Amino acid sequence: EPEVTQTPSHQVTQMGQEVILRCVPISNHLYFYWYRQILGQKVEFLVSFYNNEISEKSEIFDDQFSVERPDGSNFTLKIRSTKLEDSAMYFCASRGQSNQPQHFGDGTRLSIL
Amino acid sequence: KNEVEQSPQNLTAQEGEFITINCSYSVGISALHWLQQHPGGGIVSLFMLSSGKKKHGRLIATINIQEKHSSLHITASHPRDSAVYICAVRGADGLTFGKGTHLIIQP
Repeated sequence: EPEVTQTPSHQVTQMGQEVILRCVPISNHLYFYWYRQILGQKVEFLVSFYNNEISEKSEIFDDQFSVERPDGSNFTLKIRSTKLEDSAMYFCASRGQSNQPQHFGDGTRLSIL
Repeated sequence: KNEVEQSPQNLTAQEGEFITINCSYSVGISALHWLQQHPGGGIVSLFMLSSGKKKHGRLIATINIQEKHSSLHITASHPRDSAVYICAVRGADGLTFGKGTHLIIQP
C-alpha cells in the first residue's frame, strides 16, 4: 500500500538555525498537510496545501514557517530561525479527494538545542 | 473554534473486553476522524466519517451529528490494540484534535 514518507526521522538543530523537514506524499494525492505534536500534548494543525498554494493555516504557522512543493513529489516544511519551543514531532499527511481520509507519515522528531 | 473532548483520558482493560471511547465536539463539522497513535509516535487513520456508522474488522465507529458525538468501539480487545486513540474533527479551520485516549489492554 502506498505510504507517506518523511525524512529525516530525527533532526537535531541548534537554536537559530534553519531546518527543512521533507515529506513525500502519496503520488496521486492532491491535498497536503503539516501537523505538530509537542511532547505530551495533542496534535496541532499547522497548514494545508492544495493546487500549489496554502489553503488554510493555523495561528501557529507564522512568518517563521513556510511550505513548498518544489518538484511535484516532495512537500517541505521550512522553519527559518528555530526556537527551543519548536521542538516537537512534525507529521506530514496527504489525501486524494475531499471525501477520502488523510494518510499520515511516521513523523520527524525535531530537537532544538 | 471547535472544542474536542475525549473520554476517558486513560483506559486499562483486560484482553477480550469491549472497549468504548467517546468524542464530543462543539461546532458543526464536515467530517470526523479516528486515529491511532502507537508508542513510536506514528499515526494511522482508522476511520473518517460524516454520518452513521463504519466497521473495519473489530473496530466500529459511529457518529451522531445532531448530538455532536462520536464513539469508537473495539470488540474482543487484544494487547496489540494498546495505543493512543485520537478523535479529530474537520471544520472551517482545518483539523482540530482531541487530547487522545490512552488505551492499555492487559493479557
